[in-house]
Amino acid sequence: NAGVTQTPKFQVLKTGQSMTLQCAQDMNHEYMSWYRQDPGMGLRLIHYSVGAGITDQGEVPNGYNVSRSTTEDFPLRLLSAAPSQTSVYFCASSLLWDTEAFFGQGTRLTVV
Amino acid sequence: GDSVTQMEGPVTLSEEAFLTINCTYTATGYPSLFWYVQYPGEGLQLLLKATKADDKGSNKGFEATYRKETTSFHLEKGSVQVSDSAVYFCALTPRANSKLTFGKGITLSVRP
Repeated sequence: NAGVTQTPKFQVLKTGQSMTLQCAQDMNHEYMSWYRQDPGMGLRLIHYSVGAGITDQGEVPNGYNVSRSTTEDFPLRLLSAAPSQTSVYFCASSLLWDTEAFFGQGTRLTVV
Repeated sequence: GDSVTQMEGPVTLSEEAFLTINCTYTATGYPSLFWYVQYPGEGLQLLLKATKADDKGSNKGFEATYRKETTSFHLEKGSVQVSDSAVYFCALTPRANSKLTFGKGITLSVRP
């Protein structure tokens, strides 16, 4: 079982560059989310999706875009990277709104 | 909006000590409540959950009871082990919007 797969694991970007963080799950989960984890801040929700074709903003959506064209994939796009986006990013999926969320291993992003 | 407040950390205990980590929440309606754990270098994984008032979630010797009257979901363990050293996150999902919202987390270190 692959579960939730995130790529890449590490990335260094220059300010102003764009990139896409990939997230894929093979559990046929409807709910998928992106979080960023910063010291002392816990996990903050960036964007989430309750099914293919449906996305919504979380707590800190500025500077990020998402789309959900398939049930399996939920990529996160950084439009123009800024040093404030240096963080560890986690993707998660769950079957229903109140069931266990499964997390990927995270992507450590550094913007210089 | 919905929020989770955890006690400040870090917490350092000796092996076999009693553990309590406080968690209170603010949410409309009846959210589901969770405790997640993050071991060093890994993603989060579900420790336990409760979906309605007075429910007790339990796993690996940890327990937490959903207290609607005090809007709390405190985590307890009678005798901690070195292997319990990790970061612990309290979280909730409201029925209304399916957003999994986390507290800031608390680092637990258990010394032999």
